[in-house]
Parts: sequence; structure tokens; C-alpha cells
Amino acid sequence: AQSVTQPDIHITVSEGASLELRCNYSYGATPYLFWYVQSPGQGLQLLLKYFSGDTLVQGIKGFEAEFKRSQSSFNLRKPSVHWSDAAEYFCAVGPGGGYNKLIFGAGTRLAVHP
Amino acid sequence: DTAVSQTPKYLVTQMGNDKSIKCEQNLGHDTMYWYKQDSKKFLKIMFSYNNKELIINETVPNRFSPKSPDKAHLNLHINSLELGDSAVYFCASSRTSGGRNEQFFGPGTRLTVL
Repeated sequence: AQSVTQPDIHITVSEGASLELRCNYSYGATPYLFWYVQSPGQGLQLLLKYFSGDTLVQGIKGFEAEFKRSQSSFNLRKPSVHWSDAAEYFCAVGPGGGYNKLIFGAGTRLAVHP
Repeated sequence: DTAVSQTPKYLVTQMGNDKSIKCEQNLGHDTMYWYKQDSKKFLKIMFSYNNKELIINETVPNRFSPKSPDKAHLNLHINSLELGDSAVYFCASSRTSGGRNEQFFGPGTRLTVL
């Protein structure tokens, strides 16, 4: 079965601290992986995506993610969190091309302490 | 210069009513989607249209009827609204050809059924 698991429902970090949000997937074909961010009352914004090649991908707002096929993981990281990073983060997996049905994880809510 | 727009942003209505949500994209994409985000923030695909043709229908009740007058528009009509339809509905679009195509999301429509 195709699924995405984000084990952490809620994470709180201090401003300036490093961050890692976990994402594990189960997908029958070659996975194309995405991280989206949803700020309160807003739509979803794409942070970064992985299709192939270098397993460490860089995204917007200083985020990066590493694809580890052996662990079926695609964890999101940021070396120094800013208060404006407080939001809901969604990991998603899909076929990439064609009719791109995305399967989302349940999301991780990030709170940032000053 | 909004890429994917939805109207209305908020919709409050009574049970049993019929309502529509409109979506437009100006990205030149050929595939559009509707997702539902429930109260627990879980996102699930409902429909996908490619070049005005229904491609994905994820066992959504017949009360939901998408309509795509052209490639740039995908509307969602809901008949006989129920309490359980209360959610945030997101429209998205992507380009099908060439593979590796991420989806761009609209700002969402928060539907509240009383």
C-alpha cells in the first residue's frame, strides 16, 4: 500500500536551533518526493522536491532534505530555525510525471519559541 | 499574478444546500486537482482532470461533481451539503508532459456546513 508517515505530530524548537522533520514512505514504484509548507490560513507552498540524482536536495527558505532509499525516508532539515518557520509541514509522495496523484503524510506542526 | 486562485475563500452554509467552489490557474498547466483537508489537517485527493477529462475519482460521494469548462478552470459543485463536508478544499494544478512535475496549490476554500 502507498503511504507516507510523519511520526511527529507536533515539534517545538527554539529560534536558532536546528530542525529535522521525519518522513517515511511506502511506495511501489520509483518515488518522487515532496515537502510542502502550510502557514496558518494559507495554501500549500512547495519547499523542495526529489526526483532523482543527488540525494541531498536544496529548497527554498534554507531547507534541505535527504533521500535515503534504504530507509525509505526523506527527512527535512534546517540548520537554524526562524520564528517565521512556524507552520504545518507535509511530506508527499507521487509518481512525478503523468497524472500526479500525491499521497500526503498527516503533517507535522512546528512551533518556534523565541 | 496569482498562479492558482480559488473563490470563495470562505463559505458558510446550511445542511442540504448546494454550493460551488471555483478554481482557475494561469500557469498553462493541463492537469488540475481537488484535494480535501479535514479537521485533522489530513489531505486527500478527490478528483483530477487532464485537458477537461476526468482522470482520477477517488470514491467521492456522487454529491460532489467537478466540472472543467477548459484547461484553466476546474470547479467543484456539491449537492445536499452534509456536516461532514466541512473542510478546507484545495485546488492544484500541474503540467503533465515531461515528467517530474510538482503541483501548485491554491489558497484553499474553507467550507463550514451548519
